[in-house]
Amino acid sequence: KNEVEQSPQNLTAQEGEFITINCSYSVGISALHWLQQHPGGGIVSLFMLSSGKKKHGRLIATINIQEKHSSLHITASHPRDSAVYICAVVRDTGNQFYFGTGTSLTVIP
Amino acid sequence: EAGVVQSPRYKIIEKKQPVAFWCNPISGHNTLYWYRQNLGQGPELLIRYENEEAVDDSQLPKDRFSAERLKGVDSTLKIQPAELGDSAVYLCASSLDGRVQETQYFGPGTRLLVL
Repeated sequence: KNEVEQSPQNLTAQEGEFITINCSYSVGISALHWLQQHPGGGIVSLFMLSSGKKKHGRLIATINIQEKHSSLHITASHPRDSAVYICAVVRDTGNQFYFGTGTSLTVIP
Repeated sequence: EAGVVQSPRYKIIEKKQPVAFWCNPISGHNTLYWYRQNLGQGPELLIRYENEEAVDDSQLPKDRFSAERLKGVDSTLKIQPAELGDSAVYLCASSLDGRVQETQYFGPGTRLLVL
């Protein structure tokens, strides 16, 4: 069983749609990261959360520590948002990282 | 400012051959990570360095994998001998220090194919 589960695994959206990617985890954490990985490219860190909500441009990330759940929202999606979005958690014991398998997003013009 | 640099970007070898990957972290970053990412999976931590000290190598397959960061800057990851199942992308990342709040900056990765 993976410590971090993401849904959906694959997502196709029309340009302009509001998108939600979900992450659930089963371990105690001290922080949660949302990462973006473009095809053939490196990984970029989008957000680091330990509570509440963060917003950066069209991206919003929320976390509910009690429910062990986080969501990444993209408003007014654009084809350049097409990428794999990965959720990663940091254990509250030992600073170990656990990564989800990623959500592959394709935004169609 | 240069990001995390990795080389080579691609490597194709036959099984049982050795292979080495090199990583140059962002200047001033004390913490360096090596990850392995299989197709369709998230990255898996192999080893984490604080300066020249390996502080977490619990997931490094020590029978064939080794890593070093002798001067606390550049790092190399070696596989000897490589197996078919080692085909993956090997990612290097660095952060200012090892605190959980610190952002990790990832390199472009080395894509390894073992034939």
